[in-house]
Amino acid sequence: AQTVTQSQPEMSVQEAETVTLSCTYDTSESDYYLFWYKQPPSRQMILVIRQEAYKQQNATENRFSVNFQKAAKSFSLKISDSQLGDAAMYFCASGQASYDKVIFGPGTSLSVIP
Amino acid sequence: ETGVTQSPTHLIKTRGQQVTLRCSSQSGHNTVSWYQQALGQGPQFIFQYYREEENGRGNFPPRFSGLQFPNYSSELNVNALELDDSALYLCASSLEWDRAKTQYFGPGTRLLVL
Repeated sequence: AQTVTQSQPEMSVQEAETVTLSCTYDTSESDYYLFWYKQPPSRQMILVIRQEAYKQQNATENRFSVNFQKAAKSFSLKISDSQLGDAAMYFCASGQASYDKVIFGPGTSLSVIP
Repeated sequence: ETGVTQSPTHLIKTRGQQVTLRCSSQSGHNTVSWYQQALGQGPQFIFQYYREEENGRGNFPPRFSGLQFPNYSSELNVNALELDDSALYLCASSLEWDRAKTQYFGPGTRLLVL
């Protein structure tokens, strides 16, 4: 069974600073994907970044990057130059290739301090 | 490109009643998944529909059922509502050819069971 754990219920960061959100997962699958989703207070869930497990290179999307440690089953999200609009719940998620069931972690609430 | 839409946005029901929630997939997406998100938690996978058939189910009882229509829109039906069914219900669509099955979410329906 797949599980996703986020050990930081709440985090805060000063505007323009960098913050890292932690995530660990467990899966018996060899072909899987990892995701970070953002859910702002308006509640629409938005994809931030995704990582293919077979790729060693860490995914990057503008100010967002991941540190994917496959052996440790760790998948952290780094947000650089934090902006007020980054304030949201962040969910780490794991999914098997070609199968729509995606397992979400409990989330980390990120606050951005002006 | 039209995103995922859901209706209604809010709903109040009483225990024992039945409810139907609706979802329109993002244009071109033929796979729909439904998630239940209790307050302060991550989304929990309910089931997925592909080509009008259920194609995967999470740990939810049979009183949670669904439909997918030829235009890829979908319904989630919940019978014999219980207080614990109060949650945000999220619909997500994905592309058949996307191995990662990246989920594109709608804004959700907030259900309150009294």
